[in-house]
Amino acid sequence: GENVEQHPSTLSVQEGDSAVIKCTYSDSASNYFPWYKQELGKRPQLIIDIRSNVGEKKDQRIAVTLNKTAKHFSLHITETQPEDSAVYFCAASIQGNNRLAFGKGNQVVVIP
Amino acid sequence: NAGVTQTPKFQVLKTGQSMTLQCAQDMNHEYMSWYRQDPGMGLRLIHYSVGAGITDQGEVPNGYNVSRSTTEDFPLRLLSAAPSQTSVYFCASSYSESYEQYFGPGTRLTVT
Repeated sequence: GENVEQHPSTLSVQEGDSAVIKCTYSDSASNYFPWYKQELGKRPQLIIDIRSNVGEKKDQRIAVTLNKTAKHFSLHITETQPEDSAVYFCAASIQGNNRLAFGKGNQVVVIP
Repeated sequence: NAGVTQTPKFQVLKTGQSMTLQCAQDMNHEYMSWYRQDPGMGLRLIHYSVGAGITDQGEVPNGYNVSRSTTEDFPLRLLSAAPSQTSVYFCASSYSESYEQYFGPGTRLTVT
């Protein structure tokens, strides 16, 4: 089955710096790659997603890049702010099985 | 729209008791799923459904049953609660596994 791994598990950055989280996946047929943000005690919420026919997508301070050959995709957060502190989950669709496989999550801490 | 709703928010059970976690959505989504979230384990898929009358097992289905008699509702039944089922449970819905999943607020379950 699909295996999604996230690195690093915890990331601390100074406010204003950039944060990058990388995810790898194993199923070459996966074609949808979302990123979810979960604040403490809250539900996960989608912040950005990308499909396999696109290499990069940007939404204000957040961007996602996809390398299908290497089977990895990354979340980039620029000009980090304290409210970016959260757990971020990546996921990949499992084609033919109607499933979405999630990684274990990255704790991002933005230090003021 | 209320989105995805879950009840109860909190529940404490004794080992061996059974109960049903309720989930409902008003977005006419065909795809619904149940996840459990444990520290350091990310979101693990328990069961999912691609439409009324259709359900399938996810990654960790043992000890849980589901049914999908309507598009709106997707209850999760714990047959005989065990301490290992202590977790936060999230219900989610979407158009398919390749579209944004909308999560409910979660149910925090403790089994003693």
